[in-house]
Amino acid sequence: GAGVSQSPRYKVAKRGQDVALRCDPISGHVSLFWYQQALGQGPEFLTYFQNEAQLDKSGLPSDRFFAERPEGSVSTLKIQRTQQEDSAVYLCASSLSATGLELFGQGTRLTVV
Amino acid sequence: GENVEQHPSTLSVQEGDSAVIKCTYSDSASNYFPWYKQELGKRPQLIIDIRSNVGEKKDQRIAVTLNKTAKHFSLHITETQPEDSAVYFCAASYGDGNKLVFGAGTILRVKS
Repeated sequence: GAGVSQSPRYKVAKRGQDVALRCDPISGHVSLFWYQQALGQGPEFLTYFQNEAQLDKSGLPSDRFFAERPEGSVSTLKIQRTQQEDSAVYLCASSLSATGLELFGQGTRLTVV
Repeated sequence: GENVEQHPSTLSVQEGDSAVIKCTYSDSASNYFPWYKQELGKRPQLIIDIRSNVGEKKDQRIAVTLNKTAKHFSLHITETQPEDSAVYFCAASYGDGNKLVFGAGTILRVKS
């Protein structure tokens, strides 16, 4: 596709519900990043893939957060037993190489009620 | 780990004036410094970036300067237009794989 695509755009979850957020990176992009952006703040790093390998997950806030990219293209960020503090915009970015510029998707706005 | 501070948090300028946003970083190993523009409800858009082997880069009305010794970098927008109004984020890479640490953002308002 022409850019990084994320779905759904908006997700409302009841506290305790599990959610799955999808990211379709730009075709051929090796690196994929997930960031969390709280209202009025800059994005914060969650995790990073190079192809299918998850090389860094140091930013995941708890073991309720899990990400995968099994075939080195589409990635899914899963949040189990959602809490109100998980409410944020979840941004996915991809880059052609490990040192290339990162292009962002439009994000998924998660609201936990 | 890396820490990025960004100033000012809000900036109002008159159309046609220049705007400058400044950032400092803590990790001397950082070597990549992008700037993103984010309009309300939209994705961050990369507007310019600079690598540590370059001191300045310019793209039309936008320029970025980097001072590695002082560990600070700045965004300069000249001849501002109302459509430049947005939140601007600086970022610095750290660790392997170009992970980014973002500043807190600057709300730029260009008054016509």
